[in-house]
Amino acid sequence: IAGITQAPTSQILAAGRRMTLRCTQDMRHNAMYWYRQDLGLGLRLIHYSNTAGTTGKGEVPDGYSVSRANTDDFPLTLASAVPSQTSVYFCASSRETNTGELFFGEGSRLTVL
Amino acid sequence: DQQVKQNSPSLSVQEGRISILNCDYTNSMFDYFLWYKKYPAEGPTFLISISSIKDKNEDGRFTVFLNKSAKHLSLHIVPSQPGDSAVYFCAASGGTQGGSEKLVFGKGTKLTVNP
Repeated sequence: IAGITQAPTSQILAAGRRMTLRCTQDMRHNAMYWYRQDLGLGLRLIHYSNTAGTTGKGEVPDGYSVSRANTDDFPLTLASAVPSQTSVYFCASSRETNTGELFFGEGSRLTVL
Repeated sequence: DQQVKQNSPSLSVQEGRISILNCDYTNSMFDYFLWYKKYPAEGPTFLISISSIKDKNEDGRFTVFLNKSAKHLSLHIVPSQPGDSAVYFCAASGGTQGGSEKLVFGKGTKLTVNP
């Protein structure tokens, strides 16, 4: 089934550790995004990439980095995790970059202790 | 400052009745509006959208209304079904003023449809 695959589904991590959340799409969408969802705060954009080889900062980029070496993969890295990064992380992609119609993965629940 | 506001955190309706979810926005540059539905332990899924050149868009049981002068949009679900129980996110984007990276989400409204 075409779509977005995120891994891991869930992870408990000690503070200070490095963590990479993986995201792969098979829809050949140019644009990809990482959001975090926190209770009472909705969905907030962390980083995005409009095409392979380019990335940009979203609303809450601090403490996170991304890379876009190819069209399909868009990993999100926490260099040194902190408890405030406990959240559910959603990767998304879009066929067009100007409509807001996104396809989301099923999420990665990260707990930083 | 919240640019997209969903002031009702939750809504409960009876099966068969109408569900009305509301959303207000502050940025007059927004020209494309979307609703997403999210079930527990799943990612959000796109539901319906409307461009600022329209005031209504209908897709089956779902209709979105846009009132630009009031900076208000609403999602109507008629008739409501128990499977519609989910969190609904309103979102807005700047269209030609920005790409999908400019998409701004509301905090969501949890809809419960009781059998």
